[in-house]
Amino acid sequence: GAVVSQHPSRVICKSGTSVKIECRSLDFQATTMFWYRQFPKQSLMLMATSNEGSKATYEQGVEKDKFLINHASLTLSTLTVTSAHPEDSSFYICSARALAGGPYEQYFGPGTRLTVT
Amino acid sequence: AQSVTQLGSHVSVSEGALVLLRCNYSSSVPPYLFWYVQYPNQGPQLLLKYTTGATLVKGINGFEAEFKKSETSFHLTKPSAHMSDAAEYFCAAINTNAGKSTFGDGTTLTVKP
Repeated sequence: GAVVSQHPSRVICKSGTSVKIECRSLDFQATTMFWYRQFPKQSLMLMATSNEGSKATYEQGVEKDKFLINHASLTLSTLTVTSAHPEDSSFYICSARALAGGPYEQYFGPGTRLTVT
Repeated sequence: AQSVTQLGSHVSVSEGALVLLRCNYSSSVPPYLFWYVQYPNQGPQLLLKYTTGATLVKGINGFEAEFKKSETSFHLTKPSAHMSDAAEYFCAAINTNAGKSTFGDGTTLTVKP
């Protein structure tokens, strides 16, 4: 099956620093990647959608200058949380949609737990 | 706008009992529908999906769901719950025109021994 990896799985950083999270589709090419944020006991909140080679489309209320998304290739997307603050602490999950295969099926990464101190 | 409603944020069943998790969607066009399972500190995994064709779809781990257009529902069932089924379950819909998935709020399934 299609596998999506995320790195790192957990990261702790100090307030004011930036953190980069990588999302890779390991065995398929992803035309579209999605970044979600999830708070404890809550559903997934879509932050942005990115297509390879294009600028990401951010959901309303998500600061594009704070959450920088780059989708440089069909297998790699990165989310950079700039000038992180404690309120940015959350579980970040990426997902990828395959170039070919099941229609609109999304494959999720294992998530990255970000803690800002 | 498309929406997905999961009735019951918490469902508790005994081991061996029937599991029924409810999902209703609101869409002007029948969407593609999905059920995902999420274990603690992990990303969601696809359980099953409905796109076209047979309205009763079978997924992994003995789960199945039936698409009922007249009821705008896509309820998830499993005949006999196992302790390992305890997790968070999300129903999702995607309108092929919009291209984005809409997720329900999730249902926490607890399985009692």
